[in-house]
Amino acid sequence: GQNIDQPTEMTATEGAIVQINCTYQTSGFNGLFWYQQHAGEAPTFLSYNVLDGLEEKGRFSSFLSRSKGYSYLLLKELQMKDSASYLCAVRSTDSNYQLIWGAGTKLIIKP
Amino acid sequence: SQTIHQWPATLVQPVGSPLSLECTVEGTSNPNLYWYRQAAGRGLQLLFYSVGIGQISSEVPQNLSASRPQDRQFILSSKKLLLSDSGFYLCAWSRGTGSYGYTFGSGTRLTVV
Repeated sequence: GQNIDQPTEMTATEGAIVQINCTYQTSGFNGLFWYQQHAGEAPTFLSYNVLDGLEEKGRFSSFLSRSKGYSYLLLKELQMKDSASYLCAVRSTDSNYQLIWGAGTKLIIKP
Repeated sequence: SQTIHQWPATLVQPVGSPLSLECTVEGTSNPNLYWYRQAAGRGLQLLFYSVGIGQISSEVPQNLSASRPQDRQFILSSKKLLLSDSGFYLCAWSRGTGSYGYTFGSGTRLTVV
């Protein structure tokens, strides 16, 4: 079957760094996405990885290891506005290129 | 640029009443279109997706239906709402492959009372 796992909730301090992990078991891997979702709002795109390695975009970076079925989202210099849920999603060719979604990690930032 | 519109933003409906949520996409042609539902504190549940006019795939059996009468219009309907239909409904579009993920509409908060 196809499965994506990520921690349910994490807490971090303003100004610090946090890493949100995502492990997946899917067939026909065709890319991994990270989305941010603030409470009551729609998810918004953060990053895309299809090859192994690190993609950096400002304060946010995303890493992928296809052999390990593993990704992480790294958030630096945390701000209060980073309090949100972070969704990991994998696109699978075996699912007609649909995105398979993790349940999301709720990140709580404390002052 | 591409934009996606979804309405209404909030809706309170009695049990047994009908439902119609509409989603339209501008600035692109032949998009893949999706309807998702998200229960409070939960992940995204794919309800329907469409790769073209009149082509609808259902992921979860339920009392909801979807239609795509035009290339960039996607409608979610129900003849009789249940209490369990309450949730946050999201429409999304994508190009299907490549680095393009999904772009979501702003969502509809449905409460069935």
